[in-house]
Amino acid sequence: GESVGLHLPTLSVQEGDNSIINCAYSNSASDYFIWYKQESGKGPQFIIDIRSNMDKRQGQRVTVLLNKTVKHLSLQIAATQPGDSAVYFCAEISGSARQLTFGSGTQLTVLP
Amino acid sequence: DAGVIQSPRHEVTEMGQEVTLRCKPISGHDYLFWYRQTMMRGLELLIYFNNNVPIDDSGMPEDRFSAKMPNASFSTLKIQPSEPRDSAVYFCASRSGGRVSGGYTFGSGTRLTVV
Repeated sequence: GESVGLHLPTLSVQEGDNSIINCAYSNSASDYFIWYKQESGKGPQFIIDIRSNMDKRQGQRVTVLLNKTVKHLSLQIAATQPGDSAVYFCAEISGSARQLTFGSGTQLTVLP
Repeated sequence: DAGVIQSPRHEVTEMGQEVTLRCKPISGHDYLFWYRQTMMRGLELLIYFNNNVPIDDSGMPEDRFSAKMPNASFSTLKIQPSEPRDSAVYFCASRSGGRVSGGYTFGSGTRLTVV
């Protein structure tokens, strides 16, 4: 997809395994953190979010963990499927307009 | 709901030409954002509007870039004159002021190639 770059981290997992994608953020004042999925030729698509006063949030097959001490965010995908292959971005929300600031993406490839 | 609609999907233009990208936000959303995505810099916020008014354009790279939102259902991003380094995918996103994180909806983007 358009977001793949020379320096984009990659993660390859076998179908059915769990995936863990990591992200470091910079703004300690951000009050929301979000994970987006971007498939080739499409815009970022919301997956799950977490407020800064939480450590963990679960969705359908996905879990987001937030460690504010080290400014680290992770996305866990259970039983990874071929349709999960995409670039995943973390983003933080801050500012008066609650604008998004994206982190660098990770290319997830699910192997059959 | 058709979502955020951007046009064109692809644009190839010669250096020096004017380029206009278009966006139709989701009806009722009062925030509109323009982002640019490149291999080297990832997704960058260029400018955003609230109730059709530009609020922060600090991300606009140069005076060659301009954006307008004449009404609640339409916005344009114009590059004049275009340069090869402007080649990127440009995304428009909209959001309702009442929703924070999950409320952002992105369009499918315009892939711009300046040759």
